[in-house]
Amino acid sequence: EVQLVQSGAEVKKPGKSLKISCKGSGYSFTSYWIGWVRQMPGKGLEWMGMMWPGDSDTKYSPSFQGQVTISADKSINTVYLQWSSLKASDTAMYYCARHAGSGYIDYWGQGTLVTVSS
Amino acid sequence: DIQMTQSPSSLSASVGDRVTITCQASQDISNYLNWCQQKPGKVPKLLIYDASNLETGVPSRFSGSGSGTDFTFTISSLQPEDVATYYCQHYGDLPYTFGQGTNLEIK
Repeated sequence: EVQLVQSGAEVKKPGKSLKISCKGSGYSFTSYWIGWVRQMPGKGLEWMGMMWPGDSDTKYSPSFQGQVTISADKSINTVYLQWSSLKASDTAMYYCARHAGSGYIDYWGQGTLVTVSS
Repeated sequence: DIQMTQSPSSLSASVGDRVTITCQASQDISNYLNWCQQKPGKVPKLLIYDASNLETGVPSRFSGSGSGTDFTFTISSLQPEDVATYYCQHYGDLPYTFGQGTNLEIK
């Protein structure tokens, strides 16, 4: 069974760094793109970018380029999303998601709620 | 970037009604479009991929059609459990973008 299990909710102060994780299981982890999707409170879904864990090739949406970093540790089947300096506007639910062969998202993680507040 | 214009933004219909949502891409994306459903407080779920293919296990009352720039998502007979927000997403070129969503309610 394909599973994407994300790390737990985080509460951080503005200016702090954060790294959240997404661990894949039940499939060949290095053979699918893993993406991240943001959902701000009461808002729609926004595609942030994706990584090919096999060689760490990464694609970012221009809206998120330079704002976040996607990385991976294929030895533990885990992809990360990190911020170097959080802002209140980063408060959102973040989902990791597996992209199937042609590109559509076929599996989602359970989401990680990030709250940034002073 | 390819923009996805989804309409309507909200919709109220009665149980048993046929419901249609449209998504228009700002440029040709062939059939690289999927539809997903997000129930309140839940994780999004894939319903349709490659514009018209029904994901395994999804009820047959859900369907999708279209290619190029114009796409349609249909629920043939609305059920109470279909209350959700529905999103289209293209994967024709980077960045992959979502439509704005359609909030579907029961009248």
